[in-house]
Amino acid sequence: DGGITQSPKYLFRKEGQNVTLSCEQNLNHDAMYWYRQDPGQGLRLIYYSQIVNDFQKGDIAEGYSVSREKKESFPLTVTSAQKNPTAFYLCASSIPPQVPFMNTEAFFGQGTRLTVV
Amino acid sequence: AQSVAQPEDQVNVAEGNPLTVKCTYSVSGNPYLFWYVQYPNRGLQFLLKYITGDNLVKGSYGFEAEFNKSQTSFHLKKPSALVSDSALYFCAVRRSNDYKLSFGAGTTVTVRA
Repeated sequence: DGGITQSPKYLFRKEGQNVTLSCEQNLNHDAMYWYRQDPGQGLRLIYYSQIVNDFQKGDIAEGYSVSREKKESFPLTVTSAQKNPTAFYLCASSIPPQVPFMNTEAFFGQGTRLTVV
Repeated sequence: AQSVAQPEDQVNVAEGNPLTVKCTYSVSGNPYLFWYVQYPNRGLQFLLKYITGDNLVKGSYGFEAEFNKSQTSFHLKKPSALVSDSALYFCAVRRSNDYKLSFGAGTTVTVRA
C-alpha cells in the first residue's frame, strides 16, 4: 500500500530540546517537502529536497534542519533555535516537475502535531 | 517569487446550492495549479489540477475548477454542495519547471443542511 507515513502523530517537547519528526514514503518519488501549518496562515514551506543528498531552504527554514540520506526518508529536526515550534507539520512528496503530463501533484502524510510544554 | 491568495477565510452555503472557492496566483512562467482539501487533524487530499489544455478541469467528488490566465485565477466550484464538503480547502501553485510548491492560507467551507 503506497503512501507517506509520518510519525509520531502527536509529539510533546520541552523548551530547549531538539526533536526529530519522521517522514517515510514508498512512492518512489524524488521530491520531498516539509510544511508547517498554523491556523489562518495556511501551509508554509520549511525545506524541500529534489533528490538524495540535496535540499533547499523554503520560506521559513530558520530553526529547522533536514537530511536526505535515502530516497524514502526526509526527517525534520526542530531545533531549540525555533522560537515558536508548536504547530502541525506536514510532509509531502512528488515526482520531478520536469516529467511532462504525469501525476505532478504532491502526496501528503497525515501530519505530526508538535506541542512545546 | 510565487504566491497564492485565497481572499475568503470562510465560505458558507446551504446544501444543494452552488459552491465557489476563490484563488488567485502570482508566478513567473507557466503555472501548475492545484486544489487540496483537508479534514480536521488530517493531511491534505488532492482534488484536481491544471497543467495544460482545457481551462475547465474536473476532479474528485464532483469538484471542478476554471483556469483563467488573464485574471490569474483558478476558482474551485461545485454545482451542488453537500454537508460532507465542509472542510478546509487549499489552492497551490508551482512553476512548470520548478520543485517549489506554494500554498494559499486556506478557505474554510461550511455547508449547512
